[in-house]
Amino acid sequence: LAKTTQPISMDSYEGQEVNITCSHNNIATNDYITWYQQFPSQGPRFIIQGYKTKVTNEVASLFIPADRKSSTLSLPRVSLSDTAVYYCLVGDMRSSGSARQLTFGSGTQLTVLP
Amino acid sequence: EAGVAQSPRYKIIEKRQSVAFWCNPISGHATLYWYQQILGQGPKLLIQFQNNGVVDDSQLPKDRFSAERLKGVDSTLKIQPAKLEDSAVYLCASSLTAPNTEAFFGQGTRLTVV
Repeated sequence: LAKTTQPISMDSYEGQEVNITCSHNNIATNDYITWYQQFPSQGPRFIIQGYKTKVTNEVASLFIPADRKSSTLSLPRVSLSDTAVYYCLVGDMRSSGSARQLTFGSGTQLTVLP
Repeated sequence: EAGVAQSPRYKIIEKRQSVAFWCNPISGHATLYWYQQILGQGPKLLIQFQNNGVVDDSQLPKDRFSAERLKGVDSTLKIQPAKLEDSAVYLCASSLTAPNTEAFFGQGTRLTVV
């Protein structure tokens, strides 16, 4: 499994764009990059997933360079409610459920300040 | 659609006692995961089921932890006997088997061993 490295914590202010970068130098050809968000006292929640280039949904964008050795989660105009831990996961999501693995690292604690 | 249900929400036991957690996944989700999350850390996979078969239990402390998935639906995780270091949140998640599908997490059971 590809190991991921993220900053331990980040601070931002309301209304700013936040970019959280994840390093995954030994990512495999079949691996996808997935980001989860976790609020205190809740289970993680899926945010976005991608394989290469750029993916955008209603809450975030995911930028993946050509070498795929890193990825950046971009949260536009954060609010106080975006304060949470963000996890970057790397794994083969194209396999069937029996072979798919969800391995979490330590995550990044994002604190949004007023 | 109903989410992943877990019970109890909280549990306090003395060391050397036994405890069991229950999980009801989202209907139709063949893959089920149990995670242990110690305060300040990311979730750690304990066991993964595909229907009622075990896919991965490499990180399950089998001398004291056991899990089963009845008829490929509900699952129980048991600890017997509990140790102080088992204090954590136990998260259950489920997903479809199709590629590129996300995992949905329950709110977890917070276990305190005293």
